[in-house]
Amino acid sequence: AQSVAQPEDQVNVAEGNPLTVKCTYSVSGNPYLFWYVQYPNRGLQFLLKYITGDNLVKGSYGFEAEFNKSQTSFHLKKPSALVSDSALYFCAVSPLMDTGRRALTFGSGTRLQVQP
Amino acid sequence: KAGVTQTPRYLIKTRGQQVTLSCSPISGHRSVSWYQQTPGQGLQFLFEYFSETQRNKGNFPGRFSGRQFSNSRSEMNVSTLELGDSALYLCASSLINEFTDTQYFGPGTRLTVL
Repeated sequence: AQSVAQPEDQVNVAEGNPLTVKCTYSVSGNPYLFWYVQYPNRGLQFLLKYITGDNLVKGSYGFEAEFNKSQTSFHLKKPSALVSDSALYFCAVSPLMDTGRRALTFGSGTRLQVQP
Repeated sequence: KAGVTQTPRYLIKTRGQQVTLSCSPISGHRSVSWYQQTPGQGLQFLFEYFSETQRNKGNFPGRFSGRQFSNSRSEMNVSTLELGDSALYLCASSLINEFTDTQYFGPGTRLTVL
């Protein structure tokens, strides 16, 4: 069975400072990893994904994530936070094998609050 | 391209009733997945449809069912509604491809069961 842990319910950061939202995962075989963001009363918006290749993945709106296989982590980062980045962030994992690839397992979510 | 659309956006039902939710995927996307989001359980995978066939199913009771039509539009049905079925139901579509298999989500249908 696969699982995702987002250890922080909330992350607070000042505008202009770097931000990190943490995610660790457990999956059999190679993982397929995603970050999504959810704004109030909205669905999930895709930010970035890791399938294979470079461990540093660049995504939308200046976000990036670093895949670390030995630590089974996929932390989301941004060099300079904006107030508009305040939202709920979800990490998700699925096995790379085709039959289960679109059955995503999500973490519990981390609320990011960026203070002006 | 238009995104994933879900109708209706809001629904209020009473216990014991049944409900049908609709999802139209992004044009060209042939896979549709459904997820339930609640404050207590978070985001949970319900099922996935591709080419009108259910390919994956999450751990939900048989009251939850779905189908997909030849134009890739999908519906999910919940029968004999319970209070615990109150949730945001999200639909996601994807283009089946080894390297671009990303799910794009709709805005969701907020179901309230009274």
